[in-house]
Amino acid sequence: GGIITQTPKFLIGQEGQKLTLKCQQNFNHDTMYWYRQDSGKGLRLIYYSITENDLQKGDLSEGYDASREKKSSFSLTVTSAQKNEMAVFLCASSIGGTGSSNERLFFGHGTKLSVL
Amino acid sequence: GQQVQQSPASLVLQEGENAELQCNFSSTATQLQWFYQSPGGSLVSLLSNPSGTKHTGRLTSTTVTKERRSSLHISSSQTTDSGTYLCAIDPNYNVLYFGSGTKLTVEP
Repeated sequence: GGIITQTPKFLIGQEGQKLTLKCQQNFNHDTMYWYRQDSGKGLRLIYYSITENDLQKGDLSEGYDASREKKSSFSLTVTSAQKNEMAVFLCASSIGGTGSSNERLFFGHGTKLSVL
Repeated sequence: GQQVQQSPASLVLQEGENAELQCNFSSTATQLQWFYQSPGGSLVSLLSNPSGTKHTGRLTSTTVTKERRSSLHISSSQTTDSGTYLCAIDPNYNVLYFGSGTKLTVEP
């Protein structure tokens, strides 16, 4: 089996600060994703990447940058943290794209962000 | 954007009762997955069921593709089933779109 490791687990930032979240997977999966989850809501896609150095925007990409430095890692940057923002950022990976029947998505445990 | 609606938003059951969760979506889906999110926040894929009926353990999912709906039936619920159940579809974009979930509480 494999694992997805997200760091840090908790992130407290200041308004306007640039914040970086990291994700590592050892499944050897090609595709990686960053989702945002607000309290009581579903997940919204920020960015995804189908291979090393590839980046695709999701519905929520504004205000974020991402980088797929190598196959196993995918980082997300909040370019300017918003005051009182609070959300969980979830990293996920899959072998290929999830459009294929039976393709499963595996998640990390999340990074909880609070902005003062 | 893609719309995935789940109902009910929350459900409280006594241990041993069955649960029926619904998922409706606005576009055709080449992939549909049900996920469980624990109270601690971790997410796991329960099963993938883009069409037809699939069973795993006490879970049964039925997806009627042309009616754009799926259900997840949990039989003989246990307190450890408590958490949030999320439905997600892929309309052939290689990206999953999630509903807001059904929060299930199973009381002893």
